[in-house]
Amino acid sequence: QTVVTQEPSFSVSPGGTVTLTCGLSSGSVSTSYYPSWYQQTPGQTPRTLIYRTNTRSSGVPDRFSGSILGNKAALTITGAQADDESDYYCLLYLDSGIWVFGGGTKLTVL
Amino acid sequence: QLQLQESGPGLVKPSETLSLTCTVSGGSISSPSYYWGWIRQPPGKGLEWIGTIYYSGSTNYNPSLKSRVTISVDTSNNQFSLKLSSVTAADTAVYYCVRSTTVVPQALCWGQGTLVTVSS
Repeated sequence: QTVVTQEPSFSVSPGGTVTLTCGLSSGSVSTSYYPSWYQQTPGQTPRTLIYRTNTRSSGVPDRFSGSILGNKAALTITGAQADDESDYYCLLYLDSGIWVFGGGTKLTVL
Repeated sequence: QLQLQESGPGLVKPSETLSLTCTVSGGSISSPSYYWGWIRQPPGKGLEWIGTIYYSGSTNYNPSLKSRVTISVDTSNNQFSLKLSSVTAADTAVYYCVRSTTVVPQALCWGQGTLVTVSS
Protein backbone atom coordinates (compact mmCIF):
# COMPACT_ATOMS: atom_id res chain seq x y z
CA GLN A 1 0.00 0.00 0.00
CA THR A 2 1.30 3.41 -0.98
CA VAL A 3 1.83 5.82 1.90
CA VAL A 4 2.24 9.54 1.30
CA THR A 5 4.50 11.16 3.85
CA GLN A 6 4.49 14.71 5.22
CA GLU A 7 6.21 16.34 8.17
CA PRO A 8 3.76 16.18 11.11
CA SER A 9 4.60 19.70 12.16
CA PHE A 10 6.70 22.67 11.19
CA SER A 11 7.20 26.17 12.48
CA VAL A 12 8.21 29.40 10.77
CA SER A 13 8.80 32.93 11.93
CA PRO A 14 6.61 35.72 10.58
CA GLY A 15 8.13 36.93 7.34
CA GLY A 16 10.18 33.80 6.96
CA THR A 17 10.21 31.11 4.31
CA VAL A 18 9.20 27.51 4.87
CA THR A 19 9.16 24.49 2.60
CA LEU A 20 6.82 21.59 3.34
CA THR A 21 7.41 18.31 1.57
CA CYS A 22 5.36 15.39 0.31
CA GLY A 23 7.04 12.05 -0.30
CA LEU A 24 6.32 8.41 -0.90
CA SER A 25 7.03 5.51 1.43
CA SER A 26 8.52 3.79 -1.59
CA GLY A 27 9.82 5.68 -4.58
CA SER A 28 10.04 9.26 -5.73
CA VAL A 29 7.37 11.85 -6.36
CA SER A 30 7.45 13.32 -9.86
CA THR A 31 5.14 15.52 -11.87
CA SER A 32 3.47 12.32 -13.03
CA TYR A 33 1.85 12.13 -9.62
CA TYR A 34 0.21 15.52 -10.24
CA PRO A 35 0.82 16.73 -6.67
CA SER A 36 -1.65 19.18 -5.24
CA TRP A 37 -1.74 21.09 -1.95
CA TYR A 38 -4.58 22.13 0.36
CA GLN A 39 -4.75 24.51 3.30
CA GLN A 40 -7.18 23.95 6.16
CA THR A 41 -7.72 26.00 9.27
CA PRO A 42 -9.58 24.36 12.18
CA GLY A 43 -13.28 23.97 11.55
CA GLN A 44 -13.02 25.18 7.97
CA THR A 45 -13.31 23.58 4.56
CA PRO A 46 -10.00 22.81 2.86
CA ARG A 47 -8.83 25.37 0.35
CA THR A 48 -7.06 24.38 -2.84
CA LEU A 49 -3.67 26.12 -3.08
CA ILE A 50 -1.66 24.35 -5.77
CA TYR A 51 -2.39 21.67 -8.38
CA ARG A 52 -0.42 19.93 -11.12
CA THR A 53 2.76 20.48 -9.09
CA ASN A 54 2.99 24.25 -9.44
CA THR A 55 -0.25 25.83 -10.70
CA ARG A 56 -1.77 28.20 -8.19
CA SER A 57 -5.50 28.03 -7.72
CA SER A 58 -7.53 31.16 -8.40
CA GLY A 59 -7.01 33.82 -5.75
CA VAL A 60 -4.00 32.17 -4.10
CA PRO A 61 -1.21 34.69 -3.48
CA ASP A 62 2.08 34.14 -5.26
CA ARG A 63 3.93 33.66 -2.00
CA PHE A 64 2.65 30.09 -2.20
CA SER A 65 4.53 28.02 -4.74
CA GLY A 66 4.81 24.35 -5.61
CA SER A 67 7.69 22.36 -7.03
CA ILE A 68 9.52 19.06 -7.08
CA LEU A 69 12.58 19.09 -4.82
CA GLY A 70 14.70 16.00 -5.14
CA ASN A 71 12.38 13.04 -4.78
CA LYS A 72 9.50 14.92 -3.16
CA ALA A 73 6.83 17.44 -3.99
CA ALA A 74 7.24 20.70 -2.12
CA LEU A 75 5.11 23.64 -1.03
CA THR A 76 7.04 26.79 -0.29
CA ILE A 77 5.56 29.73 1.58
CA THR A 78 7.58 32.92 1.23
CA GLY A 79 7.02 35.76 3.68
CA ALA A 80 4.89 33.74 6.08
CA GLN A 81 1.99 35.53 7.69
CA ALA A 82 0.09 34.80 10.87
CA ASP A 83 -2.96 33.59 8.96
CA ASP A 84 -0.82 30.99 7.19
CA GLU A 85 -0.97 29.02 10.44
CA SER A 86 -2.97 26.02 9.24
CA ASP A 87 -2.85 22.36 8.37
CA TYR A 88 -1.46 21.62 4.92
CA TYR A 89 -2.25 18.45 3.00
CA CYS A 90 -0.72 17.11 -0.16
CA LEU A 91 -2.59 14.84 -2.54
CA LEU A 92 -1.04 12.55 -5.12
CA TYR A 93 -2.57 10.82 -8.12
CA LEU A 94 -1.62 7.19 -8.54
CA ASP A 95 -2.24 4.94 -11.51
CA SER A 96 -5.77 3.84 -12.35
CA GLY A 97 -7.49 6.90 -10.98
CA ILE A 98 -6.51 6.50 -7.33
CA TRP A 99 -5.89 9.55 -5.14
CA VAL A 100 -3.93 9.44 -1.88
CA PHE A 101 -3.60 12.18 0.74
CA GLY A 102 -0.63 12.70 2.97
CA GLY A 103 -1.16 12.83 6.69
CA GLY A 104 -0.89 16.61 6.79
CA THR A 105 1.54 19.13 8.26
CA LYS A 106 0.55 21.45 11.07
CA LEU A 107 2.28 24.77 10.42
CA THR A 108 2.84 27.17 13.28
CA VAL A 109 3.80 30.77 12.65
CA LEU A 110 5.62 32.21 15.64
CA GLN B 1 -20.21 30.19 -9.72
CA LEU B 2 -20.12 26.52 -8.89
CA GLN B 3 -21.58 25.48 -5.56
CA LEU B 4 -21.65 22.01 -4.02
CA GLN B 5 -23.96 21.16 -1.14
CA GLU B 6 -23.91 17.91 0.80
CA SER B 7 -27.08 16.57 2.38
CA GLY B 8 -28.14 13.49 4.28
CA PRO B 9 -28.64 12.07 7.76
CA GLY B 10 -26.26 13.32 10.40
CA LEU B 11 -26.62 10.16 12.46
CA VAL B 12 -26.36 6.58 11.22
CA LYS B 13 -26.52 3.38 13.26
CA PRO B 14 -23.66 0.87 13.22
CA SER B 15 -23.97 -1.79 10.49
CA GLU B 16 -26.35 0.39 8.49
CA THR B 17 -25.70 2.24 5.22
CA LEU B 18 -24.58 5.86 5.14
CA SER B 19 -26.18 7.78 2.28
CA LEU B 20 -25.25 11.29 1.21
CA THR B 21 -26.15 13.44 -1.77
CA CYS B 22 -24.23 16.32 -3.30
CA THR B 23 -26.32 18.89 -5.17
CA VAL B 24 -24.47 20.82 -7.84
CA SER B 25 -25.50 24.36 -8.72
CA GLY B 26 -23.88 26.79 -11.11
CA GLY B 27 -22.70 23.97 -13.34
CA SER B 28 -23.82 20.78 -15.03
CA ILE B 29 -22.93 17.40 -13.66
CA SER B 30 -23.26 16.11 -17.23
CA SER B 31 -20.36 18.18 -18.45
CA PRO B 32 -17.59 16.00 -19.92
CA SER B 33 -15.05 18.41 -18.44
CA TYR B 34 -15.41 17.41 -14.81
CA TYR B 35 -15.03 14.60 -12.33
CA TRP B 36 -16.97 14.47 -9.08
CA GLY B 37 -15.86 12.94 -5.83
CA TRP B 38 -16.11 12.39 -2.11
CA ILE B 39 -13.48 13.04 0.56
CA ARG B 40 -13.87 12.56 4.30
CA GLN B 41 -12.16 13.70 7.49
CA PRO B 42 -12.63 11.99 10.86
CA PRO B 43 -12.69 14.40 13.79
CA GLY B 44 -9.17 15.59 14.56
CA LYS B 45 -7.65 13.56 11.75
CA GLY B 46 -6.52 14.00 8.17
CA LEU B 47 -8.26 13.88 4.82
CA GLU B 48 -9.13 10.60 3.11
CA TRP B 49 -10.19 10.22 -0.52
CA ILE B 50 -13.24 7.98 -0.91
CA GLY B 51 -13.80 7.93 -4.66
CA THR B 52 -14.61 9.77 -7.86
CA ILE B 53 -17.15 9.47 -10.65
CA TYR B 54 -17.45 10.75 -14.20
CA TYR B 55 -20.79 11.81 -15.65
CA SER B 56 -20.82 8.60 -17.70
CA GLY B 57 -20.90 6.63 -14.45
CA SER B 58 -17.30 5.46 -14.56
CA THR B 59 -15.94 5.25 -11.01
CA ASN B 60 -12.70 4.95 -9.06
CA TYR B 61 -12.68 4.00 -5.39
CA ASN B 62 -10.23 3.98 -2.52
CA PRO B 63 -9.05 0.37 -2.36
CA SER B 64 -9.48 0.31 1.41
CA LEU B 65 -13.17 1.23 1.10
CA LYS B 66 -14.00 -0.28 -2.27
CA SER B 67 -15.98 -3.24 -0.92
CA ARG B 68 -18.38 -0.90 0.91
CA VAL B 69 -18.62 2.17 -1.34
CA THR B 70 -20.94 3.06 -4.19
CA ILE B 71 -20.88 6.45 -5.90
CA SER B 72 -23.54 7.24 -8.46
CA VAL B 73 -24.64 10.18 -10.54
CA ASP B 74 -28.17 11.51 -11.11
CA THR B 75 -28.01 13.75 -14.14
CA SER B 76 -31.72 14.58 -14.07
CA ASN B 77 -31.35 16.24 -10.65
CA ASN B 78 -27.77 17.47 -11.12
CA GLN B 79 -26.63 15.43 -8.14
CA PHE B 80 -24.25 12.67 -7.24
CA SER B 81 -24.44 10.36 -4.27
CA LEU B 82 -22.37 8.31 -1.86
CA LYS B 83 -23.40 5.09 -0.19
CA LEU B 84 -21.16 3.46 2.41
CA SER B 85 -22.40 0.18 3.79
CA SER B 86 -21.79 -1.64 7.07
CA VAL B 87 -20.62 1.48 8.85
CA THR B 88 -18.82 1.52 12.18
CA ALA B 89 -17.73 4.30 14.51
CA ALA B 90 -14.58 4.60 12.41
CA ASP B 91 -16.71 6.02 9.61
CA THR B 92 -17.68 9.02 11.72
CA ALA B 93 -16.36 11.99 9.78
CA VAL B 94 -17.04 15.20 7.95
CA TYR B 95 -17.85 14.21 4.38
CA TYR B 96 -16.99 16.63 1.58
CA CYS B 97 -18.11 16.47 -2.03
CA VAL B 98 -15.71 17.90 -4.59
CA ARG B 99 -15.35 18.65 -8.27
CA SER B 100 -12.13 18.20 -10.21
CA THR B 101 -11.51 19.49 -13.70
CA THR B 102 -9.75 16.25 -14.69
CA VAL B 103 -9.41 12.65 -13.54
CA VAL B 104 -6.32 13.78 -11.64
CA PRO B 105 -7.04 16.08 -8.69
CA GLN B 106 -7.03 19.50 -10.31
CA ALA B 107 -8.52 22.80 -9.18
CA LEU B 108 -10.68 21.02 -6.62
CA CYS B 109 -13.83 22.87 -5.70
CA TRP B 110 -15.15 21.80 -2.28
CA GLY B 111 -18.56 21.59 -0.69
CA GLN B 112 -18.82 22.89 2.86
CA GLY B 113 -18.93 19.38 4.30
CA THR B 114 -21.41 17.53 6.46
CA LEU B 115 -20.73 15.68 9.70
CA VAL B 116 -21.97 12.12 9.86
CA THR B 117 -21.84 10.35 13.21
CA VAL B 118 -22.10 6.60 13.48
CA SER B 119 -23.68 5.68 16.80
CA SER B 120 -26.51 3.61 18.19
